[in-house]
Amino acid sequence: GNSVTQMEGPVTLSEEAFLTINCTYTATGYPSLFWYVQYPGEGLQLLLKATKADDKGSNKGFEATYRKETTSFHLEKGSVQVSDSAVYFCALRDTNTGNQFYFGTGTSLTVIP
Amino acid sequence: NAGVTQTPKFQVLKTGQSMTLQCAQDMNHNSMYWYRQDPGMGLRLIYYSASEGTTDKGEVPNGYNVSRLNKREFSLRLESAAPSQTSVYFCASTLAGAYNEQFFGPGTRLTVL
Repeated sequence: GNSVTQMEGPVTLSEEAFLTINCTYTATGYPSLFWYVQYPGEGLQLLLKATKADDKGSNKGFEATYRKETTSFHLEKGSVQVSDSAVYFCALRDTNTGNQFYFGTGTSLTVIP
Repeated sequence: NAGVTQTPKFQVLKTGQSMTLQCAQDMNHNSMYWYRQDPGMGLRLIYYSASEGTTDKGEVPNGYNVSRLNKREFSLRLESAAPSQTSVYFCASTLAGAYNEQFFGPGTRLTVL
């Protein structure tokens, strides 16, 4: 079946540190992969996505590369800011089960000045 | 575009009371979803509607009913609320096609006493 496994948090970093949040997946078809961000008290917002192997999604300094050989989609940012403090969710949508999305459990990030 | 809207934003119920959470989207999306979010549990799918006129159970449907009123609106009903249904509820929508992401509403924070 389909599933997403995400690095457990919480993660605490100092401002300007390098961020990696690991995400691996299993899928029965050819999935699209997504990272969502949730700020306190808000709904989830799409951060970036990749729809095929070797695609790189990027937005607001965040990047993630769709690695089919390692079934991974790790989120990275070179220099985090206090405003990046949020919960990050990795998700997939599979071509075989096109209407359902599968989410990881979320990783809480706190950036301290 | 307002995107995905949810009402109410907050609600407090007593055990046994009923209520309906409303969701609407103005993006002409085919599919709509209801999730609940509990601390440490990530997002769990309650029900979804792949298209107007269809609904399907998700991971945690017990105690809930849904209605896809038209293409825009998808409501979630709690017939007899229980404290275990205290949660944050999110509605989401998407276009058909595995490359498309979900768009989320701002959430309804429900407390059942």
